[in-house]
Amino acid sequence: EIVLTQSPGTLSLSPGERATLSCRASQSVSSSYLAWYQQKPGQAPRLLIYGASSRATGIPDRFSGSGSGTDFTLTISRLEPEDFAVYYCQQYGSSLTFGPGTKVDIK
Amino acid sequence: EVQLVESGGGLVQPGGSLRLSCAASGFTFSSYEMNWVRQAPGKGLEWVSYISSSGRTIYYADSVKGRFTISRDNAKNSLYLQMNSLRAEDTAVYYCARDKGAAGYWGQGALVTVSS
Repeated sequence: EIVLTQSPGTLSLSPGERATLSCRASQSVSSSYLAWYQQKPGQAPRLLIYGASSRATGIPDRFSGSGSGTDFTLTISRLEPEDFAVYYCQQYGSSLTFGPGTKVDIK
Repeated sequence: EVQLVESGGGLVQPGGSLRLSCAASGFTFSSYEMNWVRQAPGKGLEWVSYISSSGRTIYYADSVKGRFTISRDNAKNSLYLQMNSLRAEDTAVYYCARDKGAAGYWGQGALVTVSS
C-alpha cells in the first residue's frame, strides 16, 4: 500500500500570500495518478487537481499542482478568503489512499 | 446535473449491520467506477471500497475487508455498501464518489454511528 505524507500539518498564512503544500509518497505513484482535494467544514471534498498538474473543471488558475514520482506540490499563488480549508492529496495509481491533510488557516 | 445522494445511515450497536445506498442521477451510471470514502469525526478521509462500472472488479481497504460488501445495480442507478460486524471505529460520515480516483463528484454523506 502506498502511504502518503503531507506537510506541514497546519499552514498559517494571510490572504494574498502564497501557499505551498507538500505530499510525499512511500513509493512512486504510477503515471502521476495524484489528485488534490479541498474540504471545508460540513462539506464533501472538492476536486482541485488530477494527474498531478491538471486543474479540474471550474478551478481557478491560482491553484496549481506539480511533481512526479514520490514528491508532489500544491501551490495556491495568492490566498483568497475562501481558500482557507483542509487540503488532501490522494493517489489512485495503486488502489487508493489519501494523505492526512494540511490545514490552511488564517494567520 | 450530476447528483449522488446517500441514504441509510443511522445509529447501530456494535456488532450490528447497516446498508448504505447511493442514488445516482444526471449521468450514465453504468459507465462509471464508484467508490465509498469515509471520514471519522474530526479526522481525515479514508478510502473504503471500489467497484468497477460492471461490478466485476471490487477492492476493499484492509480495515473493512471481510465485513463490508460493495455492490451496484446499474438498472436502478444505485450503489450500495452492506456493513456487517460494525465497530465503534466505523463511526464516520460515508460518502459515495464517482470515478476510481480524482473523484469530481461526491454525495453529501451519510452519518453512521456505532455505539451502545
